[in-house]
Amino acid sequence: NAGVTQTPKFRVLKTGQSMTLLCAQDMNHEYMYWYRQDPGMGLRLIHYSVGEGTTAKGEVPDGYNVSRLKKQNFLLGLESAAPSQTSVYFCASSGQHWYQSSYNSPLHFGNGTRLTVT
Amino acid sequence: QQQVKQSPQSLIVQKGGISIINCAYENTAFDYFPWYQQFPGKGPALLIAIRPDVSEKKEGRFTISFNKSAKQFSLHIMDSQPGDSATYFCAAIANSGGYQKVTFGIGTKLQVIP
Repeated sequence: NAGVTQTPKFRVLKTGQSMTLLCAQDMNHEYMYWYRQDPGMGLRLIHYSVGEGTTAKGEVPDGYNVSRLKKQNFLLGLESAAPSQTSVYFCASSGQHWYQSSYNSPLHFGNGTRLTVT
Repeated sequence: QQQVKQSPQSLIVQKGGISIINCAYENTAFDYFPWYQQFPGKGPALLIAIRPDVSEKKEGRFTISFNKSAKQFSLHIMDSQPGDSATYFCAAIANSGGYQKVTFGIGTKLQVIP
């Protein structure tokens, strides 16, 4: 199993350009998440999905959109990139519902996409 | 507003020493406390986790100590090795409408020197 796969690994954008980050998981997980990681800020949740066809806003959603058309894929879009969106983006997935998990549903992360906006 | 406060931000430890990372939280709705380990160029991976009804959990050289009344928890790495050099994130989880709402600390970059 590949786990959580993110593409691309690196990308440089100019201000105002758009792009889509793709996340794919092969663990049949219900929940998927997009985080951004910045120095001194830890991991901050951008958007998440609790199942196919659903999305919800996280802690820092402005400037991003997401879609979950298929259970295994979660796309993160930047419509008009800004330098403040320079970051490392991580996708994660998790399995069982909280109340069923018995605390055994950790987040599984991809290896990240390093995005630079100039 | 930082809901999970983690310290220190960086830590240098001699090989064989004890690494200690501390976290504190305010929200009493948190009821699961995992630690994630991240190597350069990789995503974080679950290292060890604890429930609030337990004061200590040990897995190999890694131990979580949990103080519910003080709302603090810490990670101890015994006999630290150069291979432990990584960034460590504490986290706190609350049930939010049926899914896990995970709040991370800002991370601690650990360097273990030979």
